[in-house]
Amino acid sequence: AIQLTQSPSSLSASVRDRVTITCRASQGISSALAWYQQKPGKAPKLLIYDASSLESGVPSRFSGSGSGTEFTLTISSLQPEDFATYYCQQFNSYLLTFGGGTKVEIK
Amino acid sequence: EVQLVESGGGLVKPGGSLRLSCAASGFTFRSYTMNWVRQAPGKGLEWVSSISSSSSYIYYADSVKGRFTISRDNAKNSMYLQMNSLRAEDTAVYYCARVSAGATFVWGWFDAWGQGTLVTVSS
Repeated sequence: AIQLTQSPSSLSASVRDRVTITCRASQGISSALAWYQQKPGKAPKLLIYDASSLESGVPSRFSGSGSGTEFTLTISSLQPEDFATYYCQQFNSYLLTFGGGTKVEIK
Repeated sequence: EVQLVESGGGLVKPGGSLRLSCAASGFTFRSYTMNWVRQAPGKGLEWVSSISSSSSYIYYADSVKGRFTISRDNAKNSMYLQMNSLRAEDTAVYYCARVSAGATFVWGWFDAWGQGTLVTVSS
């Protein structure tokens, strides 16, 4: 199965900071990558699909980029409601996999 | 409004069985691939199983293959997960998730999730 490695596993940031999270795939997956946000006790929420397409209703401060084996999720100006855990997920293969998660905490 | 509601979780002893259900509403259930995704306490997300719209394609994670069975009843707008030979490591919140209609293949990204149901495997 394709493995996804997220970095960092956690980070501390302030409101209005620019935040970048990286997801690396163990083999090339073209643009078959999605990003989710999860808050404690809640289900994940889709942010980005096809590596860079913004899901309807998601604020434009979220953006995704990359292809092949390296991908990034960027939050251009961190807002209080963005403190959460973020996961990448690949769908290049029917054996779907998630990254280990990145927890974004308040500095 | 799209809604996915899981049920059937609870406490079960190692080696026991449990059947989870996912009731869907607010969309044409029979047209969508559906999945189960789980999350152990304090851990990350783990995909468990997928079933295509007509049940023609079914996939499992290696960790549950041979023990879990996914199924669906399009007439009842419902999906199920029969879990047998349960182990302590199966303890998790189990989410029902819908694959986006925009996905090229049977599998893809998840654009709708239920609230989850907790399965605890312990003696």
